[in-house]
Amino acid sequence: DVKVTQSSRYLVKRTGEKVFLECVQDMDHENMFWYRQDPGLGLRLIYFSYDVKMKEKGDIPEGYSVSREKKERFSLILESASTNQTSMYLCASRDSRGGQPQHFGDGTRLSIL
Amino acid sequence: AQKVTQAQTEISVVEKEDVTLDCVYETRDTTYYLFWYKQPPSGELVFLIRRNSFDEQNEISGRYSWNFQKSTSSFNFTITASQVVDSAVYFCALREGKLIFGTGTRLQVFP
Repeated sequence: DVKVTQSSRYLVKRTGEKVFLECVQDMDHENMFWYRQDPGLGLRLIYFSYDVKMKEKGDIPEGYSVSREKKERFSLILESASTNQTSMYLCASRDSRGGQPQHFGDGTRLSIL
Repeated sequence: AQKVTQAQTEISVVEKEDVTLDCVYETRDTTYYLFWYKQPPSGELVFLIRRNSFDEQNEISGRYSWNFQKSTSSFNFTITASQVVDSAVYFCALREGKLIFGTGTRLQVFP
């Protein structure tokens, strides 16, 4: 079974802090993704990575950056956290072969005070 | 433009009722994939099924069944004899490159 592990289930930070969300997958997947989930808006793609050291902007990258130094790890960085970044963050990975599903972690519920 | 519409925001049923979750998609591509995911209250998104655009066969897995109709761009999901454990938010998604999610349908099954 694919295992995608997000470092925290719940996180509380203050406005202006630099926040790191970590995601690790154990299936040697090339592709990894970060989403945020908000009520009524569904899942929105923040950033994704097709391979190590590669990154692409998703639909809502503003205020975020990412790092993929190793294949198994994909980090999401909030450079200067703001209250509108309070959300549920979901990491996913998938095999790069066509049509393979994304497998998700348990999510991190982040609150910015 | 690619789009996934789940018009039902919330559905409530009583245990043992059958329930169908609707999903309508828009795409200009001839090759694409459709998915259903389940998100229980614990938060993780669980992959349920994948369908490619060339395979219109319906699929049944236990109490779950999926009806894919290209003519109406729909990929509906039916739960037969619903149970309380089926309570979750269900997402339909379309992939042609990146994954595009619908806004989800919250299903509540009452005992």
